[in-house]
Amino acid sequence: GEDVEQSLFLSVREGDSSVINCTYTDSSSTYLYWYKQEPGAGLQLLTYIFSNMDMKQDQRLTVLLNKKDKHLSLRIADTQTGDSAIYFCAEKTQAGTALIFGKGTTLSVSS
Amino acid sequence: NAGVTQTPKFQVLKTGQSMTLQCAQDMNHNSMYWYRQDPGMGLRLIYYSASEGTTDKGEVPNGYNVSRLNKREFSLRLESAAPSQTSVYFCASLMNTEAFFGQGTRLTVV
Repeated sequence: GEDVEQSLFLSVREGDSSVINCTYTDSSSTYLYWYKQEPGAGLQLLTYIFSNMDMKQDQRLTVLLNKKDKHLSLRIADTQTGDSAIYFCAEKTQAGTALIFGKGTTLSVSS
Repeated sequence: NAGVTQTPKFQVLKTGQSMTLQCAQDMNHNSMYWYRQDPGMGLRLIYYSASEGTTDKGEVPNGYNVSRLNKREFSLRLESAAPSQTSVYFCASLMNTEAFFGQGTRLTVV
């Protein structure tokens, strides 16, 4: 079955790097996503990676994909207080027509 | 270009009342979705519509119905609201790689 797992909380200091991890079970996943949700707001697409890629970098964000271990990570360099939010990992499988989400990781950034 | 628009933003219902959550997208996307978000549960798929005229159940469809009125609009109906349906509801549309979300409807059933 389809399942996406994330750790629930991460706390870092401003200026440090944050690494949020995610595991998924469906090896037929075609795209994997990271979404950000600020308090009281909807979900904002941060980045996504196609399943045949190992890495994708976009400014302060680096996504690493280990397809063998079904492990996805999001690294945020030079984390700022404005990065405090809930981060959701999601997968889109080849068979499915919807995104399957993890429960979200709450990132807390202290100054 | 408004993206995905949901109405209303907030709603309080009494147990047993009915209501329809509206969603519209202006990006000409084929697929549309309704999710609910509960603390510690992430987003769970209620119903989806892969294309105009088709709808399918997701993970938690009980107590809900949907209508894909046309390509733009996908509504979610609660026929007889229950306190367990207190949640934040998100509509989304998807084309190829990207999914776009509305701002959510915060529903409280008392």
